[in-house]
Amino acid sequence: DVKVTQSSRYLVKRTGEKVFLECVQDMDHENMFWYRQDPGLGLRLIYFSYDVKMKEKGDIPEGYSVSREKKERFSLILESASTNQTSMYLCASSQHREGRTGELFFGEGSRLTVL
Amino acid sequence: AQSVTQLGSHVSVSEGALVLLRCNYSSSVPPYLFWYVQYPNQGLQLLLKYTSAATLVKGINGFEAEFKKSETSFHLTKPSAHMSDAAEYFCAVSGGSGTYKYIFGTGTRLKVLA
Repeated sequence: DVKVTQSSRYLVKRTGEKVFLECVQDMDHENMFWYRQDPGLGLRLIYFSYDVKMKEKGDIPEGYSVSREKKERFSLILESASTNQTSMYLCASSQHREGRTGELFFGEGSRLTVL
Repeated sequence: AQSVTQLGSHVSVSEGALVLLRCNYSSSVPPYLFWYVQYPNQGLQLLLKYTSAATLVKGINGFEAEFKKSETSFHLTKPSAHMSDAAEYFCAVSGGSGTYKYIFGTGTRLKVLA
């Protein structure tokens, strides 16, 4: 079975702390994504990566950075966590096929609370 | 630019009744369309997808959706709701060669009444 694994399901951090959210996929997918999910706002794309060491900003990149040193791993970094970054974070991956991306495969999510 | 509109942030149906969740999209290129389901405190799971083959798409758990280009719609239906269908449902669109992005709707929370 295909799998996207997020390292932490629940985190509680303090304002100003540096936060790492890790995501690993075992499907050899080219594309990986980080989304943020908030009630009433749906999913909003933070960053995505279409290859190792490649990254592109999504719709809401401010306050976040990412790292993709290996194909299977995509990390989201909050350099200095703030309370408005309290949210559910979802990692996803997809395969590039016929010049377009296939469906997204999601991890279980990481619920971050910043106090 | 692509966009997705899901009508109704909350929908309630009785157990055994028809489920209809609405999705309208906007796309300047032939779209790929998806429906995902999210159970509480979990990630999203693919229900079904339209990728320009048959316009009526069958998915898991008895759900299906029909792509109607003239109406720019991709509504999700299930003939008979089950209690286990209670979840949040998201419609998404992607499209265009070389694009990596998906646009998601804001979601519809389905409640099934006993």
